[in-house]
Amino acid sequence: DIVMTQSPDSLAVSLGERATINCKSSQSVLYSSKNKNYLAWYQQKPGQPPKLLIYWASTRESGVPDRFSGSGSGTDFTLTISSLQAEDVAVYYCQQYYSPPYTFGQGTRLEIK
Amino acid sequence: QLQLVQSGAEVKKPGSSVKVSCKASGGTFSNYPISWVRQAPGQGLEWMGGIPPISGAANYAQKFQGRVTLTADESASTAYMDLSSLRPDDTAVYYCARGRYSSGWDLGSWGQGTLVIVSS
Repeated sequence: DIVMTQSPDSLAVSLGERATINCKSSQSVLYSSKNKNYLAWYQQKPGQPPKLLIYWASTRESGVPDRFSGSGSGTDFTLTISSLQAEDVAVYYCQQYYSPPYTFGQGTRLEIK
Repeated sequence: QLQLVQSGAEVKKPGSSVKVSCKASGGTFSNYPISWVRQAPGQGLEWMGGIPPISGAANYAQKFQGRVTLTADESASTAYMDLSSLRPDDTAVYYCARGRYSSGWDLGSWGQGTLVIVSS
C-alpha cells in the first residue's frame, strides 16, 4: 500500500497569512505516460463530508477559490492557501488515487492564530 | 447536479452486519466508480473499497477483505456497502463518494454520511 504522510499535523496561521500543508507519498504517484500526478486534496469542516479542492495535484475543482493551490510531483506535494480566511478553518487531507487502496494522509488541522 | 443520498443511522450489536445504501440522483451513475470511505470518531479518512457500477468488479482494501461486500444496482442508481462481523471499533461515519470522472478514483461528490454505532 502507498502510505501518505502529511505535515504538520496541525497548523495555526493568522488571517490573511499563507498556510502551507505538505504531503509525501511512500512511492511515486506520477503516471509517466499521462504526465499526471494522481494526488487530490480535500477540505473537511466539522459535521460535513469532505470536499474536493484539488485534483491531478494542481488543478482546482470548479468553484474553489483561487487562494487554494496545489503543487508538487512524484512523491512530494504541497497545498497552499495564499491568504487565510476564517472559513478555511478545517481539516485537510491528501489522497493518492494512483493504485488501490486509494489511501489518505492522516489529516492536517488548520486553525486561526 | 449529482447528489448522493445515504441511508440513515444504524445501531448494531457486535457480530452482526450492516448494509448502507447510497442513491444517486441528478446525474449519471453507471459510468463513475463509487468509493466507500469511513471515519471513526475524531479520526481521519479511511478508504474501504470501491466499485465501478458498470462492471460491478469491486476492489477492497486488504484490511476489510472478507468482511465488506460492495454492490451496485444500476437500475436503481444505488450502491450498497455490507459490513459483517461488526466490532465496536467499526463505529464510524461511513461515506459513499463518486469518482470525479469515469474510471477516476478522486472523489468529486460525497454522500452526507451514515453513522453506524456498534455497541452491546
